[in-house]
Amino acid sequence: DGGITQSPKYLFRKEGQNVTLSCEQNLNHDAMYWYRQDPGQGLRLIYYSQIVNDFQKGDIAEGYSVSREKKESFPLTVTSAQKNPTAFYLCASTPGQGGYGYTFGSGTRLTVV
Amino acid sequence: SQQGEEDPQALSIQEGENATMNCSYKTSINNLQWYRQNSGRGLVHLILIRSNEREKHSGRLRVTLDTSKKSSSLLITASRAADTASYFCATGRSGGSYIPTFGRGTSLIVHP
Repeated sequence: DGGITQSPKYLFRKEGQNVTLSCEQNLNHDAMYWYRQDPGQGLRLIYYSQIVNDFQKGDIAEGYSVSREKKESFPLTVTSAQKNPTAFYLCASTPGQGGYGYTFGSGTRLTVV
Repeated sequence: SQQGEEDPQALSIQEGENATMNCSYKTSINNLQWYRQNSGRGLVHLILIRSNEREKHSGRLRVTLDTSKKSSSLLITASRAADTASYFCATGRSGGSYIPTFGRGTSLIVHP
């Protein structure tokens, strides 16, 4: 079955560490997105990519980095510059631009210890 | 960004009752989408309604869109305990890249 796989499901980060969240899709979708969700909050856009080797900052990109070397993969690195990284991270994809429903992964919960 | 805002923030009903939640937005849109999120999980796409549509059905779901009032409603009929979840609307910009933005959601609890 096609879908989006996020790993790991739970991740613990020590102060000053960089960590990378994985997002892989086998839907042949062009566009991929990373969102952050805090308790009781909506989703805030971190980065998005509409084509391989290209990506744009979202509303809260500071302290995060991404790459899009393959169509199927869009990893997110949470750097030590992100001062409050504890959150639920969601990856999503769409076939392209213009009015498609999102397919979401099951999320990664990141906790700073 | 064009954030949709859901209302009410929380809704508690009995099984078998209907649940209605609303979404308001501020600027022009191409379409509006509704999603469900079970606790600790990703969002699941429920339904998309385009700006030239007024009503759309999918099973027990009914979505309306009033572009003059910049609002949408999601009706879940004959609710079940399994409908317990948070529901989000997402709106997209007219023209240019389509990057939906999400509100804070409506938390629905359906009591058996």
